[in-house]
Amino acid sequence: NAGVTQTPKFQVLKTGQSMTLQCAQDMNHEYMSWYRQDPGMGLRLIHYSVGAGITDQGEVPNGYNVSRSTTEDFPLRLLSAAPSQTSVYFCASSPGHYSNQPQHFGDGTRLSIL
Amino acid sequence: AQKITQTQPGMFVQEKEAVTLDCTYDTSDPSYGLFWYKQPSSGEMIFLIYQGSYDQQNATEGRYSLNFQKARKSANLVISASQLGDSAMYFCAMREGMNTGFQKLVFGTGTRLLVSP
Repeated sequence: NAGVTQTPKFQVLKTGQSMTLQCAQDMNHEYMSWYRQDPGMGLRLIHYSVGAGITDQGEVPNGYNVSRSTTEDFPLRLLSAAPSQTSVYFCASSPGHYSNQPQHFGDGTRLSIL
Repeated sequence: AQKITQTQPGMFVQEKEAVTLDCTYDTSDPSYGLFWYKQPSSGEMIFLIYQGSYDQQNATEGRYSLNFQKARKSANLVISASQLGDSAMYFCAMREGMNTGFQKLVFGTGTRLLVSP
């Protein structure tokens, strides 16, 4: 019963480097999303997807790209890392059709940009 | 404007006592949902309880209950019989437009609860 799996759990990057945060879910959920958590600010939505091939921007999309080629996977790409992207990143999924169902979160990726 | 407000940065409670964590929200959408999540020191987000705007009764899940006062736009979490394992960060979140496709969760800034023996 894996749920939402995020890799890696921790990562340190240098400014300007690129990387991909992986997210996979095994619940056949339609909706997937990425949030970032910064101290004192709660979680903020970066990008989301309502199904394979369909993505859209959230509240803080700049500096991030996403794609969704399968129902299961929703990777988040940092094209050129900046210190302002130091944060904890959470991937979440939800069934979609059942709007009272909670989003299920992965365990998070703690990312530091030097 | 802040959509979700949690005014208590930190709360202390003794084991076995009840505690109320405050949450007020702002929306003009008649259809919305309110969620509470727990984030222990290990970092994961754990769903606790849900209240829909059209629900007639306050939600309950074990030791968790939601004191939903729609006219006041408040959705306070009540934890009864606190346990040491309840020490964590608690987030209130809202989802608007519940029947219109993807609805993002808007989070409050959280309340850190510390349960003492």
